[in-house]
Amino acid sequence: DVKVTQSSRYLVKRTGEKVFLECVQDMDHENMFWYRQDPGLGLRLIYFSYDVKMKEKGDIPEGYSVSREKKERFSLILESASTNQTSMYLCASTLRKISNQPQHFGDGTRLSIL
Amino acid sequence: AQSVTQLDSQVPVFEEAPVELRCNYSSSVSVYLFWYVQYPNQGLQLLLKYLSGSTLVKGINGFEAEFNKSQTSFHLRKPSVHISDTAEYFCAVSDIDGQNFVFGPGTRLSVLP
Repeated sequence: DVKVTQSSRYLVKRTGEKVFLECVQDMDHENMFWYRQDPGLGLRLIYFSYDVKMKEKGDIPEGYSVSREKKERFSLILESASTNQTSMYLCASTLRKISNQPQHFGDGTRLSIL
Repeated sequence: AQSVTQLDSQVPVFEEAPVELRCNYSSSVSVYLFWYVQYPNQGLQLLLKYLSGSTLVKGINGFEAEFNKSQTSFHLRKPSVHISDTAEYFCAVSDIDGQNFVFGPGTRLSVLP
């Protein structure tokens, strides 16, 4: 069965810290995505990647960066955390760059920036 | 670019009653359509998808959705809901070129005993 694992379910950090959110998939999927989820706004795409070492900006990339050194792992980095980055973060993956493939999601990381 | 509207942010319904969650989209190109469900403290799971063919699509847990191209809608229905259906439901659209995948804002379904 498909498995997307996010390293932390809950995380509390301080303003200005560098924060790493990790995501691993075990399905040999090519595409991986990072979203943030906020009430009333749905899911907004931060970054995505179609291949190792490849990344593309989504709709709200400001304040974030990503790393994909291995096919199975996609990391989201908050360079200097701010309180407006308090949110639920969801990682997803799909098999390949074909638009009819559904996305498989991790359970999310609820991040609080104090 | 596409956009997705879910007209109801919250839908309360009694157990065993029917429910319809509405989804409308806008796009200048042909699209694929999806419904996802998110149970509390979990990620999203795929309920069903429309790619082509029959406009009535059946998914998991007794849900179905109907694609209406003229009204650009993809409403989700269930004839009889259970307490366990309480969750947030997201409609999503992807253009057939795979360039854009957009989620709606979500509808919170609360099933009351």
